[in-house]
Amino acid sequence: GENVEQHPSTLSVQEGDSAVIKCTYSDSASNYFPWYKQELGKGPQLIIDIRSNVGEKKDQRIAVTLNKTAKHFSLHITETQPEDSAVYFCAATRSGGGADGLTFGKGTHLIIQP
Amino acid sequence: KAGVTQTPRYLIKTRGQQVTLSCSPISGHRSVSWYQQTPGQGLQFLFEYFSETQRNKGNFPGRFSGRQFSNSRSEMNVSTLELGDSALYLCASSLGSGGAGEQFFGPGTRLTVL
Repeated sequence: GENVEQHPSTLSVQEGDSAVIKCTYSDSASNYFPWYKQELGKGPQLIIDIRSNVGEKKDQRIAVTLNKTAKHFSLHITETQPEDSAVYFCAATRSGGGADGLTFGKGTHLIIQP
Repeated sequence: KAGVTQTPRYLIKTRGQQVTLSCSPISGHRSVSWYQQTPGQGLQFLFEYFSETQRNKGNFPGRFSGRQFSNSRSEMNVSTLELGDSALYLCASSLGSGGAGEQFFGPGTRLTVL
């Protein structure tokens, strides 16, 4: 089955700086890669996703890049703000029949220092 | 549009008991997936239901089961509870099955087994 590794487990950045979280996956058949943000006491919230036919996707301060050859994808957050503090999860799956649900990384605790 | 709702939000049970959790997906969504979240194992896929049929199943024992009703609402049941079943149980809804679309999570049910 799929295995997703996520680094770092904790990331502390100064407000206004950029944050980068990296993930690698093992199953070359995976073709959908979402990122979730989870705040304390809440369920994961989808913040951005990318499919394997695209190399990069951007939504305001958030961007995701995908390197299919190397089997890794990254989340980039620019101009970080205090409300960006949360746990971020990457995930991977094969869309279509027979998919085994989302396989998640272990999460990154992002801390924005004022 | 209302989000995914889960009931109850908190539950305390003792070893050996059974428990039923409920999930109502976003209106129009026909797929419901269940995940278990623990500090040690992270987020793990339990199973997915689409049009009242279980489509995929994760690597969990048979004590974990579920069902889906004609209105797409889903229930998850855990029998003969063990201490290790203490976790946050999350459900996610999506339009299509098998990871074909974005999955939106509910707030979860926090289960504590004593």
